[in-house]
Amino acid sequence: SQKIEQNSEALNIQEGKTATLTCNYTNYSPAYLQWYRQDPGRGPVFLLLIRENEKEKRKERLKVTFDTTLKQSLFHITASQPADSATYLCALGSGGADGLTFGKGTHLIIQP
Amino acid sequence: DTAVSQTPKYLVTQMGNDKSIKCEQNLGHDTMYWYKQDSKKFLKIMFSYNNKELIINETVPNRFSPKSPDKAHLNLHINSLELGDSAVYFCASSQIQGFSYEQYFGPGTRLTVT
Repeated sequence: SQKIEQNSEALNIQEGKTATLTCNYTNYSPAYLQWYRQDPGRGPVFLLLIRENEKEKRKERLKVTFDTTLKQSLFHITASQPADSATYLCALGSGGADGLTFGKGTHLIIQP
Repeated sequence: DTAVSQTPKYLVTQMGNDKSIKCEQNLGHDTMYWYKQDSKKFLKIMFSYNNKELIINETVPNRFSPKSPDKAHLNLHINSLELGDSAVYFCASSQIQGFSYEQYFGPGTRLTVT
């Protein structure tokens, strides 16, 4: 069955450093991979999408890489700030209308 | 303006009851979804609805049924509620025509079955 693993349930990073989150998957050939942010009591918010034929995507302080051979995506937040503290979810999609398959998320804590 | 809205935000009910959760999106999207987030925060797709085509996750009990009166609405109806149905339910939408797959989520409905 399809499986998505995100590294550690919680990640503590000092403010100003780069936070790197990992998403690994098995038994899946996604057309694209997405990253979402979820704050307590709120719905996930879309951050970035990277397609199977793309290696890297950037948006402001965010960078995503996608290695379909390793079946892995890395999500980087540079110059991290306490406001970046949240749960970050990795999600895979097939390109159709059948919804996303989510990982369990990584709880990122940026300490001042 | 709220892009994806859900009502109610909280729903407390007893086992055996039937309840509905409403969802509306004002983004003009062609596809809507229902997800369930359990106590371990694991978010799982339940249904997707695109241009009158319904795709059902095979693990969803048939007590759950989505109803779409029009393209902007996808309501979730639950019959004979069970304790295990307690969770947060999220509605989402996307515009998959044009290959834009990012999803916009509503604020969630916390369902508690007692």
